[in-house]
Amino acid sequence: EAQVTQNPRYLITVTGKKLTVTCSQNMNHEYMSWYRQDPGLGLRQIYYSMNVEVTDKGDVPEGYKVSRKEKRNFPLILESPSPNQTSLYFCASKAGEGYTFGSGTRLTVV
Amino acid sequence: LAKTTQPISMDSYEGQEVNITCSHNNIATNDYITWYQQFPSQGPRFIIQGYKTKVTNEVASLFIPADRKSSTLSLPRVSLSDTAVYYCLVVLYNNNDMRFGAGTRLTVKP
Repeated sequence: EAQVTQNPRYLITVTGKKLTVTCSQNMNHEYMSWYRQDPGLGLRQIYYSMNVEVTDKGDVPEGYKVSRKEKRNFPLILESPSPNQTSLYFCASKAGEGYTFGSGTRLTVV
Repeated sequence: LAKTTQPISMDSYEGQEVNITCSHNNIATNDYITWYQQFPSQGPRFIIQGYKTKVTNEVASLFIPADRKSSTLSLPRVSLSDTAVYYCLVVLYNNNDMRFGAGTRLTVKP
């Protein structure tokens, strides 16, 4: 089944403790992207990647890093999480008409 | 990317046809109109995409007038399970970058 898989689904962490949210797609898509979703602010793009080793900032990249060492994986890294990064995160990949989104990662930073 | 404007919310009843209109006055020649559906705590799901006139699939129809400054997503005979947020996006074909707006929250009542 064609899908985008994110892990973990839920994560509670403390301020400053580095974490990584993994994203993997099995559709051989070149384009992948990370979004965060917050009440009243909608979906905002964090980073995107056009292909392996090609990444670029979206609208809200501060406090995040990404890497794209292989086509299928696009991890989101929070080097020093802060409470304002508490959010619902979605990874997506795209080829052709529409994005395929993952099921989301609900992150709480205390 | 052209900015889109759509109603914040709409109510409907089961069995009715729902039309959600989106305005995109600054749409460019090579832009396409794309609609997504999102249920709570799930990633958005691609519904339909079109360039002009009418596009229909098993889920919805998309009407785009000749000037392409607006578009209308039509959902036939909605059910309670169609309660969701619907996003209208203008995207450059073969450019994978997308920005989501606030969307329209559709509530279908029994």
